[in-house]
Amino acid sequence: GQQVMQIPQYQHVQEGEDFTTYCNSSTTLSNIQWYKQRPGGHPVFLIQLVKSGEVKKQKRLTFQFGEAKKNSSLHITATQTTDVGTYFCAGRDDYKLSFGAGTTVTVRA
Amino acid sequence: DAMVIQNPRYQVTQFGKPVTLSCSQTLNHNVMYWYQQKSSQAPKLLFHYYDKDFNNEADTPDNFQSRRPNTSFCFLDIRSPGLGDAAMYLCATSRDRVTLYEQYFGPGTRLTVT
Repeated sequence: GQQVMQIPQYQHVQEGEDFTTYCNSSTTLSNIQWYKQRPGGHPVFLIQLVKSGEVKKQKRLTFQFGEAKKNSSLHITATQTTDVGTYFCAGRDDYKLSFGAGTTVTVRA
Repeated sequence: DAMVIQNPRYQVTQFGKPVTLSCSQTLNHNVMYWYQQKSSQAPKLLFHYYDKDFNNEADTPDNFQSRRPNTSFCFLDIRSPGLGDAAMYLCATSRDRVTLYEQYFGPGTRLTVT
């Protein structure tokens, strides 16, 4: 079945700095979704990418879908304490989502 | 607000004692999913209902069962919980399963097995 790998597993960021988390699939994805899970919370949908090379922005978050539709990235600029949490990418595998292992972000004030 | 509700938020059960977790939704979505999430891991799909059609994942233990009596409600039954079943159980809904819709997650039920 489809495997979605996500790196890094942990990201410790100084407040104000930028970082990127990467998602790679063993197969071509029809689309990719990103979710954020705050500590003690549940996953919350952030965005969906469908088109090859697609780039979408949400304030300080920039999401990109690779040209081959086998990878995706999430870039956060000027990290804030509100960015703390685990970010999951998920590729649609037929009727279900195949989640990456997530990148857990902590922020040093 | 339309939402996904899970009860209880915390559940403690004894080893081998059956337990039922509840999920309800006001979104009128066709699909309801049950996930198991252990600490620092991704959610793992156990099964889902597409309307009344039950779909089990191949690696979901027989110990886990589900019921969906109507569109709004879905239950997760664990017949004989073991210590390894201690986890967060997340219910999620989606408008449809074959098209490009996001999933809406409930707040989860944290299950402790003593």
